[in-house]
Amino acid sequence: KAGVTQTPRYLIKTRGQQVTLSCSPISGHRSVSWYQQTPGQGLQFLFEYFSETQRNKGNFPGRFSGRQFSNSRSEMNVSTLELGDSALYLCASSSSGGLETQYFGPGTRLLVL
Amino acid sequence: ILNVEQSPQSLHVQEGDSTNFTCSFPSSNFYALHWYRWETAKSPEALFVMTLNGDEKKKGRISATLNTKEGYSYLYIKGSQPEDSATYLCAYYNQGGKLIFGQGTELSVKP
Repeated sequence: KAGVTQTPRYLIKTRGQQVTLSCSPISGHRSVSWYQQTPGQGLQFLFEYFSETQRNKGNFPGRFSGRQFSNSRSEMNVSTLELGDSALYLCASSSSGGLETQYFGPGTRLLVL
Repeated sequence: ILNVEQSPQSLHVQEGDSTNFTCSFPSSNFYALHWYRWETAKSPEALFVMTLNGDEKKKGRISATLNTKEGYSYLYIKGSQPEDSATYLCAYYNQGGKLIFGQGTELSVKP
């Protein structure tokens, strides 16, 4: 089975721009979660999508949004980028959520200048 | 406020040493405790998902125990090898439906 894939792997943006990141889960997985990793904060939960619905949301501003498509692929969007949004963004998929093993993608490293 | 604490923050051991790390989490509304291994330049890799108080799981030289009543889990590595060098993360999943990660324990094993 192919693993979780994320595109792009690296991205450089400037303040004020917006960005869209993509995550393709393992085939058959319906839950996709997104995390932000920064050196000082560790892995922070952004949100989880299950069957095209946002099921849980972390404590991030409304500039962070996401969606999930009928094939379970998910996108995350960050609008009006700030310097502090520079981070590694990881997505993880599982069959049904947090009671099960999460399979992580390689991440997208975003640098905001 | 949910808080997952891991100790120590970093650990340096010699090849062949056995070691253990601690993960502390809120004992209320507990659903599951995850352990992951994260090597530099790779994706976090799942080690264990534990749900029941008293659970013990083993994978090769790595094992973990869980105490949900007092809110802690231990991860043990027997006979550490250089390839065990990585950051070990625990994550707590509660009835709120969020997976909350600790800051991790960075393990370095010297040959």
